[in-house]
Amino acid sequence: DTGVSQDPRHKITKRGQNVTFRCDPISEHNRLYWYRQTLGQGPEFLTYFQNEAQLEKSRLLSDRFSAERPKGSFSTLEIQRTEQGDSAMYLCASSLAGGGVAFFGQGTRLTVV
Amino acid sequence: TQLLEQSPQFLSIQEGENLTVYCNSSSVFSSLQWYRQEPGEGPVLLVTVVTGGEVKKLKRLTFQFGDARKDSSLHITAAQPGDTGLYLCAGLSYGQNFVFGPGTRLSVLP
Repeated sequence: DTGVSQDPRHKITKRGQNVTFRCDPISEHNRLYWYRQTLGQGPEFLTYFQNEAQLEKSRLLSDRFSAERPKGSFSTLEIQRTEQGDSAMYLCASSLAGGGVAFFGQGTRLTVV
Repeated sequence: TQLLEQSPQFLSIQEGENLTVYCNSSSVFSSLQWYRQEPGEGPVLLVTVVTGGEVKKLKRLTFQFGDARKDSSLHITAAQPGDTGLYLCAGLSYGQNFVFGPGTRLSVLP
């Protein structure tokens, strides 16, 4: 297993377009987290799943954001009608339930022009 | 809302110097992680501390978890240019969500 994988690494989109990012967690990890990180800041929590259940969502996750983990394996994060303020690094992490260690992917850098 | 504060925010030192970075909160965490992040990359895990008062060493890096599990420190001995990066602390809350500090940006000059 090569760790947490995110795709794409970079995405440039025009304002108003929809984008979707994918995250493949470490295979035996049942928890999956999404974070957003802007320049010079630490990661901000967006949402997390345990298996296919979405257990917590941040208030940062507006109606334009939706995340799924349909089979409890990979996850997708979709942003509809992108805005310039959505430009950020989107990070995915996975862990074992009850475990204290989260491993991160390399992130998807989104630029909205 | 659980918050983690880190200090200093920025640190620029010469190669060979020692430094300490602090991570503080008013909340208790079940564990705390330290990560290092380089530009354009995801955070890479350095260490996890779980027990109050715990001290872990990783080569020139020494990590300590406060007795009350609310704060932590990272000490680097004889810093090298390869230590340059953003150091992030993250606490695992009892709600099972990882909360991050804003990071300390370290620059080690040769």
